[in-house]
Amino acid sequence: EAGVAQSPRYKIIEKRQSVAFWCNPISGHATLYWYQQILGQGPKLLIQFQNNGVVDDSQLPKDRFSAERLKGVDSTLKIQPAKLEDSAVYLCASSWTRGAHNEQFFGPGTRLTVL
Amino acid sequence: KNQVEQSPQSLIILEGKNCTLQCNYTVSPFSNLRWYKQDTGRGPVSLTIMTFSENTKSNGRYTATLDADTKQSSLHITASQLSDSASYICVVSKNNAGNMLTFGGGTRLMVKP
Repeated sequence: EAGVAQSPRYKIIEKRQSVAFWCNPISGHATLYWYQQILGQGPKLLIQFQNNGVVDDSQLPKDRFSAERLKGVDSTLKIQPAKLEDSAVYLCASSWTRGAHNEQFFGPGTRLTVL
Repeated sequence: KNQVEQSPQSLIILEGKNCTLQCNYTVSPFSNLRWYKQDTGRGPVSLTIMTFSENTKSNGRYTATLDADTKQSSLHITASQLSDSASYICVVSKNNAGNMLTFGGGTRLMVKP
């Protein structure tokens, strides 16, 4: 079974530039999550989708971050404009559905460096 | 405030030795607790999951314990191998909150030959 795919794996940009990350979840998984993981810390949830609808985006900095999952399958996370503090690994995860016992499967992440 | 605290932050052990990682949480109401292993440059992978009624769960050389009364969990690694070098993250799921997870900061384990 294919896992969660993410691209690119690495990205280096200058502050105030824009960047986009792509995620393709495990086939059939209705719930998709984007996390930000700063070096040495646990992941922090940015946004959660159920199919193509947003379930929780309370920790998404909406002035600069946006995400979409238009067809309820793959998803894109965008940062515009980027700040130095956005340097982190951006993890995408998916689960069968939203129930607490549904394991979240994580992708390899995109490491973003903002200079 | 729902929190998950892990200790130690980092640990270095020799290959073949055992070690125990600790996790304390205040997440309520509690649904389940998972231990994830995160290799460098990879996403976290689930090792074990325990619900309120389970107090121990094993996965090969990994054994997790849960004391729901004291809200503490531990992950014991037996006969460590070089491939065990990774970050181990304790993650608690809240009941009736969809699949919202609270992550600990992780313990970075290095196994040396």
